[in-house]
Amino acid sequence: KAGVTQTPRYLIKTRGQQVTLSCSPISGHRSVSWYQQTPGQGLQFLFEYFSETQRNKGNFPGRFSGRQFSNSRSEMNVSTLELGDSALYLCASSLVVDTGELFFGEGSRLTVL
Amino acid sequence: GQQLNQSPQSMFIQEGEDVSMNCTSSSIFNTWLWYKQDPGEGPVLLIALYKAGELTSNGRLTAQFGITRKDSFLNISASIPSDVGIYFCAVPTGANNLFFGTGTRLTVIP
Repeated sequence: KAGVTQTPRYLIKTRGQQVTLSCSPISGHRSVSWYQQTPGQGLQFLFEYFSETQRNKGNFPGRFSGRQFSNSRSEMNVSTLELGDSALYLCASSLVVDTGELFFGEGSRLTVL
Repeated sequence: GQQLNQSPQSMFIQEGEDVSMNCTSSSIFNTWLWYKQDPGEGPVLLIALYKAGELTSNGRLTAQFGITRKDSFLNISASIPSDVGIYFCAVPTGANNLFFGTGTRLTVIP
């Protein structure tokens, strides 16, 4: 069974640019959530989607957005990149909602110069 | 604000030794989870605890849900080199919204 797939794995952007990250969940998983991991702030929840609806959003500025498609694949977008957006962005999928039992991808490492 | 304090922050142990780490909160939670993150990978769920006082094992790993519902403990017996990584406790605070602890970094010396 294929795991959670995230693309791209690594990317470098400059301040002011925007970036789109993609996540394909495990087949059959309809819940997809996104997390940001940095050395200073640790693992922080960004948002969660279920059946194309955003159910929950973390405490991040509006520059961070996401969406989910009918096939459960998800994308997140960060506009007007800042240096502090450099982080590992992790996507997780779940079969059973609201148990906290998440399957994470390997992440997309974003560097903002 | 909400915090999950993990202790210790880091550990250096000899292969074969047992490991103990804990996670504490000022708030009560009904579920505690333990995840492990290997270098360059995403976190992987090790153990999920759903009942206060519950003791659950997964191979050499044993975790306990504190009776006060404000803490949890993870023990690893007879450590091996592949136990190296960062161990996170986490609690659900909404729709698959996990709040993660600060992590315990484990190094196993062969």
